[in-house]
Amino acid sequence: DGGITQSPKYLFRKEGQNVTLSCEQNLNHDAMYWYRQDPGQGLRLIYYSQIVNDFQKGDIAEGYSVSREKKESFPLTVTSAQKNPTAFYLCASTRDRGRIEVNTEAFFGQGTRLTVV
Amino acid sequence: GQQVMQIPQYQHVQEGEDFTTYCNSSTTLSNIQWYKQRPGGHPVFLIQLVKSGEVKKQKRLTFQFGEAKKNSSLHITATQTTDVGTYFCAGRREAGNNRKLIWGLGTSLAVNP
Repeated sequence: DGGITQSPKYLFRKEGQNVTLSCEQNLNHDAMYWYRQDPGQGLRLIYYSQIVNDFQKGDIAEGYSVSREKKESFPLTVTSAQKNPTAFYLCASTRDRGRIEVNTEAFFGQGTRLTVV
Repeated sequence: GQQVMQIPQYQHVQEGEDFTTYCNSSTTLSNIQWYKQRPGGHPVFLIQLVKSGEVKKQKRLTFQFGEAKKNSSLHITATQTTDVGTYFCAGRREAGNNRKLIWGLGTSLAVNP
């Protein structure tokens, strides 16, 4: 089955540590996104990538880093510079080539709940 | 920058009542999508609207895209407890190289049985 997979589902981090969240898709999608969601809040864009080896900062990129070495993978590193990292992190992908009217829906992974202890 | 405003933020209804959430964009959108996120889950795609004035129905859900392609609404008739969740709209800009989705903040729906 095609889909997007995030791991781990739950992650605990000590203050001062970097952690990396995994996101893999086998949908052959060009674009991938990382969002942060706080309780009762909407989706805030951290980083996005429209093509391999290229990525752009979103609205809240400070304290985060990403890489896009392969089309299928878009890992997110939460660095120690992120002052309030406890949140629900969602990875998504879209097929962004071709006509914009066709099949541009976002597919989401199950999410990773990160807690700083 | 471009924003998509979504109202209301929260809505609490009795089962059987209707529910509507509205999205308004500061600029013209090429399309708008609607997603539902169940408590503890991830957003799931519901529908995409592309044409000016478009109306689409999915059982008790009715989706509209405004004539100017700047606003949209989702209406649920006779809500059920299975409708509980947060409903998000997300729009894409007209043309350009940057086609990332612009998300509304969502409307959280609670349904009393």
